[in-house]
Amino acid sequence: QLQLQESGPGLVKPSETLSLTCIVSGGSIRGSSYYWGWIRQPPGRGLEWIGNIYYTGSTYYNPSLKGRVTVSVDTSKNQYSLRLPSVTAADTAVYYCATVKEGATLFGSWGQGTLVTVSS
Amino acid sequence: SYELTQPPSVSVAPGQTARITCGGNDIGSKSVHWYQQKPGQAPVLVVYYDTKRPSGIPERFSGSNSGNTATLTITRVDAGDEADYYCQVWESKIDHYVFGTGTKVSVL
Repeated sequence: QLQLQESGPGLVKPSETLSLTCIVSGGSIRGSSYYWGWIRQPPGRGLEWIGNIYYTGSTYYNPSLKGRVTVSVDTSKNQYSLRLPSVTAADTAVYYCATVKEGATLFGSWGQGTLVTVSS
Repeated sequence: SYELTQPPSVSVAPGQTARITCGGNDIGSKSVHWYQQKPGQAPVLVVYYDTKRPSGIPERFSGSNSGNTATLTITRVDAGDEADYYCQVWESKIDHYVFGTGTKVSVL
């Protein structure tokens, strides 16, 4: 059973870079048949998919964030990361990591989520 | 971009049936997944590929999908079903996951 745990600062200043890591346990990212994703949810609002990565490094992103966001994978540490530069208050949200099994179109496993607040 | 529209809220008396709709252009041609999210928790999959239920999800939860509307139906609603519910599809034309706007289910 895959388990995901988000890690990173809970407070980021405006114009700085938001960086989060998703630590994976219960299975190996390398050679797995999963896509590893990020989803966010602003306080009191709905879910927004950010992007996914395969263990090979192949990525695809939400067009609304493309150009700002980078998702990367470190198979040696069995984790993957999210990087979002030049943040504003609009990037304040709970950030979830979640998986999509290869060939599927649903998010089967989720981390508990981590709140990132953008504020000076 | 592809959009999924849900009613903001649905209220239902205990023991009755809640129906949550998810509207999208020709959504019937796509596979729809439904998530339940309780306050402070991550979403949990309750219905996938339109009609399937993950293990551990009660039979009271069911789904349908046709035309421009997908529906999540919860029968014999109880207080434990109070939550936000989101539909989700994969838009293959632009390689994009799309979530619905979300529906808050309240048990009267």
